[in-house]
Amino acid sequence: GAGVSQSPRYKVAKRGQDVALRCDPISGHVSLFWYQQALGQGPEFLTYFQNEAQLDKSGLPSDRFFAERPEGSVSTLKIQRTQQEDSAVYLCASSTTQGLAAAEQFFGPGTRLTVL
Amino acid sequence: GQQVMQIPQYQHVQEGEDFTTYCNSSTTLSNIQWYKQRPGGHPVFLIQLVKSGEVKKQKRLTFQFGEAKKNSSLHITATQTTDVGTYFCAGRSGATNKLIFGTGTLLAVQP
Repeated sequence: GAGVSQSPRYKVAKRGQDVALRCDPISGHVSLFWYQQALGQGPEFLTYFQNEAQLDKSGLPSDRFFAERPEGSVSTLKIQRTQQEDSAVYLCASSTTQGLAAAEQFFGPGTRLTVL
Repeated sequence: GQQVMQIPQYQHVQEGEDFTTYCNSSTTLSNIQWYKQRPGGHPVFLIQLVKSGEVKKQKRLTFQFGEAKKNSSLHITATQTTDVGTYFCAGRSGATNKLIFGTGTLLAVQP
């Protein structure tokens, strides 16, 4: 079956522009996660959804970052007024389970954002 | 906040040699997962460890979770060129679904 998909795969933005990154999780997956991965670093947690509810947004770096999952499936990560330090790969992951029993996360290919 | 460190950052081995990466958390973990990320790719789940002192094997890979649930290791026996990539541990602490990824170990295997 289809895995997690993300679009666009690559995005170049001028500093100050707004961007929207899309994630299509595996159908039926309850949990959805967004991560930011800088070059040569591990993924850093941004936010977590359980169905349509955003249960944890403690990793969002600033109020310029906003994520939503209105119908409990597709999710969008929006970054307003992009800055150069936002350049990174943004990874989306989904999981069938929730809470402490949560098991493996299935990652999408990521969106590489470059802010000029 | 919680930190998860891995050593070494980089390891270069000859094909057939063994490899080990170590993962240490600043806090006690409820469970730990390991992921592999090939160059240019995305993280792929390898395994989850839950119990104190747990040891799991997958073919040439052996995973251990420390007795205190603050450290873990991944050992690869007789590396192959297909083992190339970055290995990340990722831990959860407390009643949270949030994974904290380690700093990763990049493995290079020379044929």
